[in-house]
Amino acid sequence: GDSVTQMEGPVTLSEEAFLTINCTYTATGYPSLFWYVQYPGEGLQLLLKATKADDKGSNKGFEATYRKETTSFHLEKGSVQVSDSAVYFCALNPGGTGGFKTIFGAGTRLFVKA
Amino acid sequence: EAEVAQSPRYKITEKSQAVAFWCDPISGHATLYWYRQILGQGPELLVQFQDESVVDDSQLPKDRFSAERLKGVDSTLKIQPAELGDSAMYLCASSLGGRVHEQYFGPGTRLTVT
Repeated sequence: GDSVTQMEGPVTLSEEAFLTINCTYTATGYPSLFWYVQYPGEGLQLLLKATKADDKGSNKGFEATYRKETTSFHLEKGSVQVSDSAVYFCALNPGGTGGFKTIFGAGTRLFVKA
Repeated sequence: EAEVAQSPRYKITEKSQAVAFWCDPISGHATLYWYRQILGQGPELLVQFQDESVVDDSQLPKDRFSAERLKGVDSTLKIQPAELGDSAMYLCASSLGGRVHEQYFGPGTRLTVT
């Protein structure tokens, strides 16, 4: 079945460091891909999305490119801030005949030190 | 900015008791989701509504869990009787529906069963 695998955390970085959180997926057809962020004590917030191959989603300095050839959607940011400390979830929605059920990865916790 | 409302934010209950959670989605959102999030994991879909109809409840433990969205607006999720393993965060989300897959999450209800 469809699934999402993301790198285990926690990831600990110093402020202004470069961030990469890896995400790979398994799906039939052409899913939509998402990154959600969850700050402590809050629900999830949509960070960015991509709906077709080679699309790049971007928001708040974060970006991710939909790579169908490697079935990946890695999250990157050039310079992280302490306020970026949160849990990041990669997700997919198969759409079409695969249905509209969104499948989430296990999450990757990011700590950014000042 | 419109938000998904949930109540209560925190609930402590004894095992074998009944507990209920309420969710009010963003106005105009036809699709409503209830998720369970165990600490350290991603959200797992319990039930999905399209207007007042259930479209996916395959992961809902129907012997003890029930959900309703009678008028296609707000929704209630009930557990009776609660078990120790039900301790988790219960998240509600909504979306416009159709082929739009972006979901907007509420702050969640943290349930502790003692």
